[in-house]
Amino acid sequence: AQTVTQSQPEMSVQEAETVTLSCTYDTSESDYYLFWYKQPPSRQMILVIRQEAYKQQNATENRFSVNFQKAAKSFSLKISDSQLGDAAMYFCAFINQGGKLIFGQGTELSVKP
Amino acid sequence: DAGVIQSPRHEVTEMGQEVTLRCKPISGHNSLFWYRQTMMRGLELLIYFNNNVPIDDSGMPEDRFSAKMPNASFSTLKIQPSEPRDSAVYFCASSSWTGGAHNEQFFGPGTRLTVL
Repeated sequence: AQTVTQSQPEMSVQEAETVTLSCTYDTSESDYYLFWYKQPPSRQMILVIRQEAYKQQNATENRFSVNFQKAAKSFSLKISDSQLGDAAMYFCAFINQGGKLIFGQGTELSVKP
Repeated sequence: DAGVIQSPRHEVTEMGQEVTLRCKPISGHNSLFWYRQTMMRGLELLIYFNNNVPIDDSGMPEDRFSAKMPNASFSTLKIQPSEPRDSAVYFCASSSWTGGAHNEQFFGPGTRLTVL
């Protein structure tokens, strides 16, 4: 079975500090994508960053970066210089070759001023 | 680009009534997905279409749920009859697939359904 696990239901970070959200997944496929989505209170699902499994280089989008460890099936998200607007639920997701997007349980991030 | 459009944004209905949720995917996208989000079960894929054809409906909870995609720019998710346990946020998402690994999906704003 293909699963995505986020072991941190809640995280907190001080404004301007750095925080890392953890994610592990399980699959036997070799070609796939991984994503982090952000869901603020408006409930809109917003794509934060994506990683192609065949790329060894970690993806980066401004203050957001990932640590992708394919052998360990680990895909953590690092948020640098945290801002109040970063407060949201963050979902790690894996998409299989059949097109099915499988989500983790989510991590609720709060940012303290 | 207007993004994925869903209607209505909120729906309140009584148990036993028929509910129809609507979705317009991003123009040019050929894959469409329906998800349900609840506190208990998180985000679940209900069904998805490629080129208007249903590919995987294994997530549809029961026969009361049905989905159609009559053309590339419109899809519906229908619940008949509705039950209180169907209360959830329903998301529609679309993506562009040209074979091989699937790429990111773009989500609509969701429909919050409350069944009394």
